[in-house]
Amino acid sequence: KQEVTQIPAALSVPEGENLVLNCSFTDSAIYNLQWFRQDPGKGLTSLLLIQSSQREQTSGRLNASLDKSSGRSTLYIAASQPGDSATYLCAASGSARQLTFGSGTQLTVLP
Amino acid sequence: EAGVAQSPRYKIIEKRQSVAFWCNPISGHATLYWYQQILGQGPKLLIQFQNNGVVDDSQLPKDRFSAERLKGVDSTLKIQPAKLEDSAVYLCASSLLLGAYEQYFGPGTRLTVT
Repeated sequence: KQEVTQIPAALSVPEGENLVLNCSFTDSAIYNLQWFRQDPGKGLTSLLLIQSSQREQTSGRLNASLDKSSGRSTLYIAASQPGDSATYLCAASGSARQLTFGSGTQLTVLP
Repeated sequence: EAGVAQSPRYKIIEKRQSVAFWCNPISGHATLYWYQQILGQGPKLLIQFQNNGVVDDSQLPKDRFSAERLKGVDSTLKIQPAKLEDSAVYLCASSLLLGAYEQYFGPGTRLTVT
């Protein structure tokens, strides 16, 4: 059974700082990995999807990497802004093609 | 392109009552998912439909939860009778096809059971 862990559970940084969010998964036989953003009281917004054959994906100030052999993914946010404050969730799609989510990292970017 | 629609957005009921949630996926999306998200946790898949057929409902508490997707478009999720531990946000998501495709989420329905 796939298990996804995200560390830290909460992170607070000053505006402008570059930061890394971590995600680890127990079953390396994943189909893809997705990073989502969740704002309070709202649904999830997909940020990046990395197929199992890929090593990384980039969108604007966001870069996500995937290392299946070590069971890890990272989300790098460059030049953080207060508007980046949200909960970030990673989810692994395993052999059953279903998403298993981590509990998220709550990010606060201080102005 | 319209997103995934859900209603109601909020619902408060007493334990042992019944409740139903509605979801309208993105037009043309064959796959529809219902997730339960308890406060402080990531979403947990309850049931997955491909068109109007169930792909996986292994984590659906079938003694009290039921879901249907008539005509392969809209879906309803029902809880009867509700328990205190059912308090959560119920998220609906859709994707073009099964597997490799991105899932798009609705705003969710926040259920409080008192």
